[in-house]
Amino acid sequence: TQLLEQSPQFLSIQEGENLTVYCNSSSVFSSLQWYRQEPGEGPVLLVTVVTGGEVKKLKRLTFQFGDARKDSSLHITAAQPGDTGLYLCAGRLNNAGNMLTFGGGTRLMVKP
Amino acid sequence: GAGVSQSPSNKVTEKGKDVELRCDPISGHTALYWYRQRLGQGLEFLIYFQGNSAPDKSGLPSDRFSAERTGESVSTLTIQRTQQEDSAVYLCASSLSWSGRYYEQYFGPGTRLTVT
Repeated sequence: TQLLEQSPQFLSIQEGENLTVYCNSSSVFSSLQWYRQEPGEGPVLLVTVVTGGEVKKLKRLTFQFGDARKDSSLHITAAQPGDTGLYLCAGRLNNAGNMLTFGGGTRLMVKP
Repeated sequence: GAGVSQSPSNKVTEKGKDVELRCDPISGHTALYWYRQRLGQGLEFLIYFQGNSAPDKSGLPSDRFSAERTGESVSTLTIQRTQQEDSAVYLCASSLSWSGRYYEQYFGPGTRLTVT
C-alpha cells in the first residue's frame, strides 16, 4: 500500500471532456505537488500547494489541496491531446526536509 | 542553462553483471536524489544527498545498491549483481537546499535499465 494513492490509474477520454484525478492519503503533508511526465523524460513540476483548502489554477488545470492537507485533486477542463501523459502527485511530510513521497501516477490519454 | 543530465540514457545488461549510472546535477544544487520508476508507475525514493551531510539511504532496496557523490557535483548509482527485477528507469533530481525551506526538484531524463 502506497502512502499516496492516486486514482484512477488509467484514464482515456475524448478531446473536450473534463476529468478529475485524485490523490489521497491518511498522512498529513506540509505541501503537495503535481507533476506531468512524458515518455522518455523526467517529471516536470506543474504546481505546489501548501495551505489546506488552497486552490490554484493553471490555464485549464485546477489544483486543490484538501482542508486537512491529506488529499488533493487535479481537474482538467476541456482536455486536449497535448494533455496526454503521466500525472504524478508528490507530498512532503512534516519533518521530512526536502524529501518527496510520490503517488503511483495516473496515465491520461486524450484522443482527438 | 543546463539541466540535470544522466548517462547512459539506456543500458542493457545481463543478469549478474554490475552497472553504474551517472547523474550530473544542476550547478549550485546542493541536494541530489535518486529514484526508481517501474514501467508506468510512480517514483520510488532510493537515496538523498544534501551537501556534506551523511546521505539518507533509507530507500535503497538491498545491499546490492549503493551510491556516491563527489562534493556537490556528479553522483553515481551502482547496482551489483543485477537481477531482472532491477529493470526500471532510474531518475536523478537535484535542488537547492536550505534549512527550513523547500525547493523544487529538477529531474533528469532518466536511465532506462534492462536486465536480461
